[in-house]
Amino acid sequence: GQQLNQSPQSMFIQEGEDVSMNCTSSSIFNTWLWYKQDPGEGPVLLIALYKAGELTSNGRLTAQFGITRKDSFLNISASIPSDVGIYFCAGVSGTYKYIFGTGTRLKVLA
Amino acid sequence: EPEVTQTPSHQVTQMGQEVILRCVPISNHLYFYWYRQILGQKVEFLVSFYNNEISEKSEIFDDQFSVERPDGSNFTLKIRSTKLEDSAMYFCASSEPLAGVLKYFGPGTRLTVL
Repeated sequence: GQQLNQSPQSMFIQEGEDVSMNCTSSSIFNTWLWYKQDPGEGPVLLIALYKAGELTSNGRLTAQFGITRKDSFLNISASIPSDVGIYFCAGVSGTYKYIFGTGTRLKVLA
Repeated sequence: EPEVTQTPSHQVTQMGQEVILRCVPISNHLYFYWYRQILGQKVEFLVSFYNNEISEKSEIFDDQFSVERPDGSNFTLKIRSTKLEDSAMYFCASSEPLAGVLKYFGPGTRLTVL
């Protein structure tokens, strides 16, 4: 089946540092999404990308849809303690099926 | 901000029992989904539902699973005979007409099968 691999699996960073994580797949997706999940809660959509090469920002977050349509990255600038959580990429296959990545667990040290 | 709600927040059941997880999607949404997340793992697609029928389902969604929209507001996931490996967080989600991006997830139901 379709799989999305995220790296790194987890990271510890200092408050104020920039963070970069990526998501790769052997399959092509037409839409890429990035979500954040806090403990015990559902995923919250951060950024949606609709076109290959697209670069989109949402506050301190920037994400890009890879040219090959098989990858995407997410950058967080000047991290703060509330950025802690698990970040999932998701690729949209067809209209209804969202495939989630393996997740990147972020811990921010104050 | 509109929100998807789910009940119960935590369900404990014995292996072999039937469970029904309930969701109230956002009122003008037409596409509904169930996902599950085994503890510490990724979110996995189970099923999508549109126009009162299943649009797509994953290999996980076997004959033990069923979904229903019994009235105009609720969307349910039934597991007929639960197994230990069904223990997970189950998330309901809904999206706007024209299958807009999946923005709204519910808070989840934690299912524990003993």
